[in-house]
Amino acid sequence: GNSVTQMEGPVTLSEEAFLTINCTYTATGYPSLFWYVQYPGEGLQLLLKATKADDKGSNKGFEATYRKETTSFHLEKGSVQVSDSAVYFCALSDRKTSGSRLTFGEGTQLTVNP
Amino acid sequence: DTGVSQDPRHKITKRGQNVTFRCDPISEHNRLYWYRQTLGQGPEFLTYFQNEAQLEKSRLLSDRFSAERPKGSFSTLEIQRTEQGDSAMYLCASSSADGRNSTDTQYFGPGTRLTVL
Repeated sequence: GNSVTQMEGPVTLSEEAFLTINCTYTATGYPSLFWYVQYPGEGLQLLLKATKADDKGSNKGFEATYRKETTSFHLEKGSVQVSDSAVYFCALSDRKTSGSRLTFGEGTQLTVNP
Repeated sequence: DTGVSQDPRHKITKRGQNVTFRCDPISEHNRLYWYRQTLGQGPEFLTYFQNEAQLEKSRLLSDRFSAERPKGSFSTLEIQRTEQGDSAMYLCASSSADGRNSTDTQYFGPGTRLTVL
């Protein structure tokens, strides 16, 4: 079946540090890949997505590139801010094998200190 | 605000009671999803509707769970005879897609946090 594995957290960084959160996936089809962010007390918000190999999703300074050869979709940001503190979820949707459902990783808690 | 809304935001109930949650999707979104999220975990898929038809159900959805979307707009999720293991955040999402196999982007509501005592 499909699965998503994220780097273990929590991750603690200082403001303006470089961020990488690793995400790898297993899928039998050709999935679409997503990063969602969950701020404290709020629901999930779509951060970025990529629907085919070599696509790069980007939003709010965050980027992730769909790497089919390494089955990865790592999230990066060059300079994090305190306001980026949240839980980040990597997810996939593989319409050929699992319809429209999203399969999520366990989430990575990010804390950015001033 | 035209985002996905859920009601109530919090629900505390005693074991054995029935509870019902409501989700109002983004208007004109034809797909609606329910997920369950426990502490420290990612959301897990429960079920989804395209218009009023329930097209997929997870094995997580036991016989005590039932979901409806009677007119293809809002949806309800009912849990009968609640158990302590049902305590979780219940998330609703909606999307707009053409055709059963098209890729869509899901937009999530704030969730309903259920605590079963």
